[in-house]
Amino acid sequence: GESVGLHLPTLSVQEGDNSIINCAYSNSASDYFIWYKQESGKGPQFIIDIRSNMDKRQGQRVTVLLNKTVKHLSLQIAATQPGDSAVYFCAENRATGGSYIPTFGRGTSLIVHP
Amino acid sequence: DAGVIQSPRHEVTEMGQEVTLRCKPISGHDYLFWYRQTMMRGLELLIYFNNNVPIDDSGMPEDRFSAKMPNASFSTLKIQPSEPRDSAVYFCASSPQMNTEAFFGQGTRLTVV
Repeated sequence: GESVGLHLPTLSVQEGDNSIINCAYSNSASDYFIWYKQESGKGPQFIIDIRSNMDKRQGQRVTVLLNKTVKHLSLQIAATQPGDSAVYFCAENRATGGSYIPTFGRGTSLIVHP
Repeated sequence: DAGVIQSPRHEVTEMGQEVTLRCKPISGHDYLFWYRQTMMRGLELLIYFNNNVPIDDSGMPEDRFSAKMPNASFSTLKIQPSEPRDSAVYFCASSPQMNTEAFFGQGTRLTVV
């Protein structure tokens, strides 16, 4: 079946380093992708999104890259801070029956060491 | 805006009891989603509504689960009877349009003993 998945379940980095979190998707019809951050005890929070007509989008300290050829998505966090420690999810808006269903990957836990 | 509001934040109940989870979406959002999160299965979409109408409930585990949205500002997810395997964090989310980001509530942590 088609699914959204993550390559690395846990990523540990030092404060100040750059972090890269990867995500693979298999539904070539998906045209909208979102990265969410979930802190302990809270709901997922939107970080950045990208549509399939783009291959790169930048925000504040974050960049999302989309490679449609290999169906790969990545989130880059520059100068990672302890406050970035959280679980990061990629989500794929999957077209079904004329609607788009947000479907989440399993998540990657980012641990930032001071 | 206060964001998506869920209640209660925590619920502990005995097996066999009825449980009702509540959600107030962000005003003006046309879409409302109910998700369940567990360590084993991650975030699973249970059901979603568009303009108060249930569109896709294929993620609802079984007939013990039901969801309603009587108006644009309120939705409930009910489990009757509850079972220990229903223990999870249940999230409600809303979005202004389809194919845009969803805004999540803080979740309800349900424990069925």
